[in-house]
Amino acid sequence: AQSVAQPEDQVNVAEGNPLTVKCTYSVSGNPYLFWYVQYPNRGLQFLLKYITGDNLVKGSYGFEAEFNKSQTSFHLKKPSALVSDSALYFCAVRDGSSASKIIFGSGTRLSIRP
Amino acid sequence: ETGVTQSPTHLIKTRGQQVTLRCSSQSGHNTVSWYQQALGQGPQFIFQYYREEENGRGNFPPRFSGLQFPNYSSELNVNALELDDSALYLCASSPNSGPNEKLFFGSGTQLSVL
Repeated sequence: AQSVAQPEDQVNVAEGNPLTVKCTYSVSGNPYLFWYVQYPNRGLQFLLKYITGDNLVKGSYGFEAEFNKSQTSFHLKKPSALVSDSALYFCAVRDGSSASKIIFGSGTRLSIRP
Repeated sequence: ETGVTQSPTHLIKTRGQQVTLRCSSQSGHNTVSWYQQALGQGPQFIFQYYREEENGRGNFPPRFSGLQFPNYSSELNVNALELDDSALYLCASSPNSGPNEKLFFGSGTQLSVL
């Protein structure tokens, strides 16, 4: 069965510092991994995805994510945080054998202080 | 390019009633999926429609049902509402139903069941 875990409910970072939001996953087939961001009173917006190939994936707004197969992780990173990055971030996984079903993590609230 | 739109934005119902939520997919998208997001949690997959057929379902009871129309817009119907059905209901569309497709979300319908 598919599952995804975001071990931190909240991450606090000072503006200008690097940030990491953690995600680990479990799938029976090949993983399709995604990060989405949710701003208040809005739907989710796509940030980036890993399908296959390079383990470092670059996405929107300067975010990137590192795929680590041995650790079954897909951590979201940004070299220099902005106050405007403050939002709720969701990691999600799809199993290639059950393409329609996407499992979301419980979310991590990112707070960037000026 | 028109994004995903959902109606209504807010809805209040009483226990036992029935509700219909509506979603217009983004232009050119033939796949629509529905999610339930309870307060403080990640979105939970309800089901997906591809070219008017249901092609995947999450762990939701049969009182959650849906439709997709020839123009690829969609409805989510919930019968015999329960208090626990109170949540944000998100619709997402994608160009196709493959596992690598990113989702384009609407802003959601906030359902309150009293």
